[in-house]
Amino acid sequence: DAGVTQSPTHLIKTRGQQVTLRCSPKSGHDTVSWYQQALGQGPQFIFQYYEEEERQRGNFPDRFSGHQFPNYSSELNVNALLLGDSALYLCASSLTDQETQYFGPGTRLLVL
Amino acid sequence: QKEVEQDPGPLSVPEGAIVSLNCTYSNSAFQYFMWYRQYSRKGPELLMYTYSSGNKEDGRFTAQVDKSSKYISLFIRDSQPSDSATYLCAMSDPDTGRRALTFGSGTRLQVQP
Repeated sequence: DAGVTQSPTHLIKTRGQQVTLRCSPKSGHDTVSWYQQALGQGPQFIFQYYEEEERQRGNFPDRFSGHQFPNYSSELNVNALLLGDSALYLCASSLTDQETQYFGPGTRLLVL
Repeated sequence: QKEVEQDPGPLSVPEGAIVSLNCTYSNSAFQYFMWYRQYSRKGPELLMYTYSSGNKEDGRFTAQVDKSSKYISLFIRDSQPSDSATYLCAMSDPDTGRRALTFGSGTRLQVQP
């Protein structure tokens, strides 16, 4: 049973560029959430997708957007990258009626 | 003030010790409580999940929730060097549609052989 997978594992971008991160949920899961984890901090919720729609959003600017596909996989897009966007981006999957979320290994983004 | 407070550590203990990790929270609406373990440069791994006040045991791990005090704990018995990691508490409030997890900042644990 494959767990949550994310790609790429690492990414280096420069300020002002755009980035797309990808996530495949655990088999059978239909809900995907994205989190940003800065160094030494706990993950911060960005948004959650269910049935291809954004169901809930955290306190992140519109530069952060996402998408969920019919096979439940998801993308996170960040436009106009800032140095402060450097972080580990985590994808978590769950079943819509359950609270437990299972995390992928993350994508480490460095913005120079 | 953060909604979830967690001592960042580091906490250093000898192998075989009992470890106590704690979080306090301010939002009484939180109902689901989780503990995650995160090894360096990896994603968080779910360890324990509880809903009600009281204790829940799973092998060497015991999760404790005291909703009246807004305080949760994770106990690790017979700690091993492989337990060295950052431990994150997380909680959610699904009844108001708030399905996002709110995390503490994590406690770094080091178990010395």
